[in-house]
Amino acid sequence: DAKTTQPPSMDCAEGRAANLPCNHSTISGNEYVYWYRQIHSQGPQYIIHGLKNNETNEMASLIITEDRKSSTLILPHATLRDTAVYYCIVPPGSSNTGKLIFGQGTTLQVKP
Amino acid sequence: DAGVIQSPRHEVTEMGQEVTLRCKPISGHDYLFWYRQTMMRGLELLIYFNNNVPIDDSGMPEDRFSAKMPNASFSTLKIQPSEPRDSAVYFCASSRNFGSSYNSPLHFGNGTRLTVT
Repeated sequence: DAKTTQPPSMDCAEGRAANLPCNHSTISGNEYVYWYRQIHSQGPQYIIHGLKNNETNEMASLIITEDRKSSTLILPHATLRDTAVYYCIVPPGSSNTGKLIFGQGTTLQVKP
Repeated sequence: DAGVIQSPRHEVTEMGQEVTLRCKPISGHDYLFWYRQTMMRGLELLIYFNNNVPIDDSGMPEDRFSAKMPNASFSTLKIQPSEPRDSAVYFCASSRNFGSSYNSPLHFGNGTRLTVT
């Protein structure tokens, strides 16, 4: 399985962009990068995913480096409600086990 | 779309009692997952189903844990007998079109917080 490495915590000022990095240097060519977040007392919430191209949706943007060994989740205008634990996950692409291995993630604190 | 629905939201029970957690997946989703979250171990996958059939239960901690999915719209996770170390938040999640290199996003419920005294 591809392992991911994320900083344990980050701060961001409200209204500014939050850039959350993730390293996945052992990722295989057919493996996607997924981002989820978990707001306190709630279930994890899917944010975005990508393979090799940059992706954008209504929640965030995902920038994947050309060698695919790292990625950055961007919340363009962070709000207090974006305070959460953000998980970068690379499920195994060579099998269909379906297991999402959640690491410790990055705790993002958005401050007023 | 009502999302994944779990019940109860909170459960407090005494050691040795049977506990049953319930989950209703999103309609049309053919995969269902049970996760457990604790401070020490984070989020752990316990078991998952495809088309109501258990596929991988390697994460189930002990024989005290069992899970069933009698139909596409309902699943249970049972602990018998319960122990204090089973105290955790239990999440159910569902997805569809899962099984290739592309993994359809999981939709999680809001969990059941179990406390065993």
